[in-house]
Amino acid sequence: AQKVTQAQTEISVVEKEDVTLDCVYETRDTTYYLFWYKQPPSGELVFLIRRNSFDEQNEISGRYSWNFQKSTSSFNFTITASQVVDSAVYFCALSGYTGANSKLTFGKGITLSVRP
Amino acid sequence: GAGVSQSPSNKVTEKGKDVELRCDPISGHTALYWYRQSLGQGLEFLIYFQGNSAPDKSGLPSDRFSAERTGGSVSTLTIQRTQQEDSAVYLCASSSRTSGRDEQFFGPGTRLTVL
Repeated sequence: AQKVTQAQTEISVVEKEDVTLDCVYETRDTTYYLFWYKQPPSGELVFLIRRNSFDEQNEISGRYSWNFQKSTSSFNFTITASQVVDSAVYFCALSGYTGANSKLTFGKGITLSVRP
Repeated sequence: GAGVSQSPSNKVTEKGKDVELRCDPISGHTALYWYRQSLGQGLEFLIYFQGNSAPDKSGLPSDRFSAERTGGSVSTLTIQRTQQEDSAVYLCASSSRTSGRDEQFFGPGTRLTVL
């Protein structure tokens, strides 16, 4: 069975601080995909990033960066110089390779509040 | 182009009544997923459709829940004899292929409240 753990439930930072959101996963699959989604107050889930299990290269996109480490089964997300617009619930998710295994298993989510 | 749409956006019903929730996936997307987001359970998978294949119903919480997908496009999730614990946001997502590497695009959800 697949499992995603987001141990942090709520994080509050002041604008311009850096913040890291942790994600630990469990799977028996050798091929799998990891995702981060953002859910702003409007409620719609917004895709942020997808990584496959064979690519441990870290990725940076503007103020966002992701650190994937298979050795620790972690896929952490860092926001640099946070802004008020980053306030949202962030979900880490895991899926298998194909077919019915492509369904997403989500963590419980982390509520990030960025104060001005 | 148009994204995933869901209707209604909000539904309030009385305990014991049946409800139908609709999802219009992105045109051409062969895979369709239903998820449920509730305070107690977080985001959880309900059912998955791929083309004309038999759906994966492994996430449906009880036999009061059913879903169909007509013509490989629109999907309807039906909840019979609704209970208060069914109150949640029901999310639909579609994907161009049935692979984990393909992004799932989510609709805005239907907020169901069972009184």
